[in-house]
Amino acid sequence: SAVISQKPSRDICQRGTSLTIQCQVDSQVTMMFWYRQQPGQSLTLIATANQGSEATYESGFVIDKFPISRPNLTFSTLTVSNMSPEDSSIYLCSVGDRGRITPGYTFGSGTRLTVV
Amino acid sequence: DAKTTQPPSMDCAEGRAANLPCNHSTISGNEYVYWYRQIHSQGPQYIIHGLKNNETNEMASLIITEDRKSSTLILPHATLRDTAVYYCIVRVSRTGANNLFFGTGTRLTVIP
Repeated sequence: SAVISQKPSRDICQRGTSLTIQCQVDSQVTMMFWYRQQPGQSLTLIATANQGSEATYESGFVIDKFPISRPNLTFSTLTVSNMSPEDSSIYLCSVGDRGRITPGYTFGSGTRLTVV
Repeated sequence: DAKTTQPPSMDCAEGRAANLPCNHSTISGNEYVYWYRQIHSQGPQYIIHGLKNNETNEMASLIITEDRKSSTLILPHATLRDTAVYYCIVRVSRTGANNLFFGTGTRLTVIP
């Protein structure tokens, strides 16, 4: 399965600032997703990162707050903009490949964000 | 995708089998059952999946009832490293085409 490198692994940020999280995959993948996991909660899908076009956002998430880039089939970024303490969460990148028979998705180890 | 229901927590003695249940009474005929787990401070890890038949791999066994409305994940010999939150997910595609919608999962604690 694909190997994901997610950076940074953790950060402490001031409210009102923005943080960009990077997701690098060691092979080309069709699908890339961004999830949020708030403290003590399950994972919530933020958006699907589409290569060469705008990301597809889930209900409750908007591009102005969580802009996403995906310039190629191995890389994506998620920016958390104008942060507030409520944005303190773990953000995870996940990948899957439509063309593969191998089931399931691979997840990065996450970025633990604390906003103060 | 169909909704799943899992108990919030379970304990299991080390070396014994851990049986984690999942109800998915509204599952459709083309939806697969997937299991993932999340060990503390890590991303979720794929365990196993199935459609109708029981499945087994090096990590676990998956038992799906004949009416497909429930399933059980079995860890045959639980170890302390199996302590994690286990998620049961049902979704249409068995390849990587669709995203995953996580429920609240079952927190399994393996006790020495």
